[in-house]
Amino acid sequence: QVHLVESGGGLVKPGGSLRLSCAASGFTFSDYYMSWIRQAPGKGLEWVSYISSSSSYTNYADSVKGRFTISRDNAKNSLYLQMNSLRAEDTAVYYCAREGIRRDVDYWGQGTLVTVSS
Amino acid sequence: EIVLTQSPGTLSLSPGERATLSCRASQSVSSSYLAWYQQKPGQAPRLLIYGVSSRATGIPDRFSGSGSGTDFTLTISRLEPEDFAVYYCQQYGTSPRTFGQGTNVEIK
Repeated sequence: QVHLVESGGGLVKPGGSLRLSCAASGFTFSDYYMSWIRQAPGKGLEWVSYISSSSSYTNYADSVKGRFTISRDNAKNSLYLQMNSLRAEDTAVYYCAREGIRRDVDYWGQGTLVTVSS
Repeated sequence: EIVLTQSPGTLSLSPGERATLSCRASQSVSSSYLAWYQQKPGQAPRLLIYGVSSRATGIPDRFSGSGSGTDFTLTISRLEPEDFAVYYCQQYGTSPRTFGQGTNVEIK
């Protein structure tokens, strides 16, 4: 049974940093691409970033490029998102997500809330 | 970037009725890499349809997807009470992956 559990969210001031983590279980983590997807309060879904199974490829939304870094540790079955230079508009629930073989998102975590406010 | 525009924004229907949701892309979606997700309040989204028309594991056959190129449709043949939710389309064939803004299917 696939489980994705995010942690690391919280309240941070504008310009600050935060590191999100996602613990994966129930599948062979190193076989799958992983993504971060966010949802601002009362808004729709916004894809943030993905990373390939071996970390060879990463990609970012323009809104976070240069500020956020996605990484993974296959030995620890863990996905990370380092978020720097945070802005109010980064306030959202951040979901860890597994990309299936076809690259659709077949499993989602429950999300962790990041609030950027002074 | 491929922009996905969903319509209508809100669909007000009664249980048992048919729901038709539209997703239009600003350019052709690569290799039919289009999915639909359902999200209920306070929950994470759930994959319903991938590859335009394939149902994900455990999704009832009242959900169906169709379309090609730039025009896609999610149809719910007969709405059950648990189907009232927000639905998103997503293209994942071209980076950056993008989502539509969502269609809220509400009880009339």
